[in-house]
Amino acid sequence: GQQVQQSPTSLVLQEGENAELQCNFSTSLNSMQWFYQRPGGSLISVFYNPSGTKQSGRLTSTTVIKERRSSLHISSSQITDSGTYLCAMMNYNQGKLIFGQGTKLSIKP
Amino acid sequence: GGIITQTPKFLIGQEGQKLTLKCQQNFNHDTMYWYRQDSGKGLRLIYYSITENDLQKGDLSEGYDASREKKSSFSLTVTSAQKNEMAVFLCASRDWGQDTQYFGPGTRLLVL
Repeated sequence: GQQVQQSPTSLVLQEGENAELQCNFSTSLNSMQWFYQRPGGSLISVFYNPSGTKQSGRLTSTTVIKERRSSLHISSSQITDSGTYLCAMMNYNQGKLIFGQGTKLSIKP
Repeated sequence: GGIITQTPKFLIGQEGQKLTLKCQQNFNHDTMYWYRQDSGKGLRLIYYSITENDLQKGDLSEGYDASREKKSSFSLTVTSAQKNEMAVFLCASRDWGQDTQYFGPGTRLLVL
């Protein structure tokens, strides 16, 4: 079946450093989303990015369909960026999202 | 804008107990989902419903029942809680034809 692999599993950075999160898909990419989850909180959609590059403030998402991958770049990280980032691919036949296991990001002062 | 409400926020049960979790959305979305989140395992789909009175099994449906009583509400029942079980159950909804899913705050389950 379809699988979504995220890397790294966890990432610890100093405030101000850049973060790079990766997502790889085992089958052809339909569309994908990046979600953010604060500890103990719900999921918030960060990007819907089926292809190409999108930017929102310090966050940039790049999806390369042919290579079946998507990345999330956080520049000049802040302590409030800490949390878990999940990517998910849409299975259109069944109308459901398939999630990766997440990357836990910790930003230290 | 809209909101997804999940009740209860915390649920403590006993082994073998039948437990029901509720989800309400006022987006007027067609499709609703129940996911289970375990530490280090991402989200796994339990049940989803494309429209009112529809039910579709996800990857983790065994041990659960679901009910889509009306368009705005979707309930999940743990048929027999397992001892030492601890997980977060997340409800989500989306408009059919749109890709973005919106999530509720979650119900945290602990079985003693």
